[in-house]
Amino acid sequence: DQQVKQNSPSLSVQEGRISILNCDYTNSMFDYFLWYKKYPAEGPTFLISISSIKDKNEDGRFTVFLNKSAKHLSLHIVPSQPGDSAVYFCAASAPGGGADGLTFGKGTHLIIQP
Amino acid sequence: KAGVTQTPRYLIKTRGQQVTLSCSPISGHRSVSWYQQTPGQGLQFLFEYFSETQRNKGNFPGRFSGRQFSNSRSEMNVSTLELGDSALYLCASRATVVSNSPLHFGNGTRLTVT
Repeated sequence: DQQVKQNSPSLSVQEGRISILNCDYTNSMFDYFLWYKKYPAEGPTFLISISSIKDKNEDGRFTVFLNKSAKHLSLHIVPSQPGDSAVYFCAASAPGGGADGLTFGKGTHLIIQP
Repeated sequence: KAGVTQTPRYLIKTRGQQVTLSCSPISGHRSVSWYQQTPGQGLQFLFEYFSETQRNKGNFPGRFSGRQFSNSRSEMNVSTLELGDSALYLCASRATVVSNSPLHFGNGTRLTVT
């Protein structure tokens, strides 16, 4: 029973264009959402997060959108750069300060084409 | 600030043996969590420690245990190793547990059970 789903295992985008990574969740109790980036042989690196009281959060080239009614969030990267090529994980936690840990999607491999 | 440090980076053990993994959190972080990453299951929550107390545990058998020391460093132990325990074990720390805050991961320990 996957509570956080990333339906695209991979995504290829041209350098300079917008990358849009999608994530769906089923647990309506989730109230905090995060995106992580992972390079091979390294741990996940925190990118950006959003609380369920917001519908958008921006940090430089990264913007996360949350649609609570659709239980959907997306990460936009503009413009895409070669260093953005990595696996991106969506994660979510329920109220309680994350005591039950983060629930992760299985990741989307983003490839930025020159 | 130094990041989360995990030792060793790689480990090869035989079925039936036990293993201990070590994690030093970011300075000032008192919460340490452990996650298992496998190709089939993705990233799964093992447990979180705060002030030497386990806050919660994921859906793993009792062979998986951990502890946290007064300096916030943590160890994870797996007893009676099985082939299916082969995975990347990731440690993460965060600054607070009273509100939503992102986890910061180490580079992991790659455990291979033969």
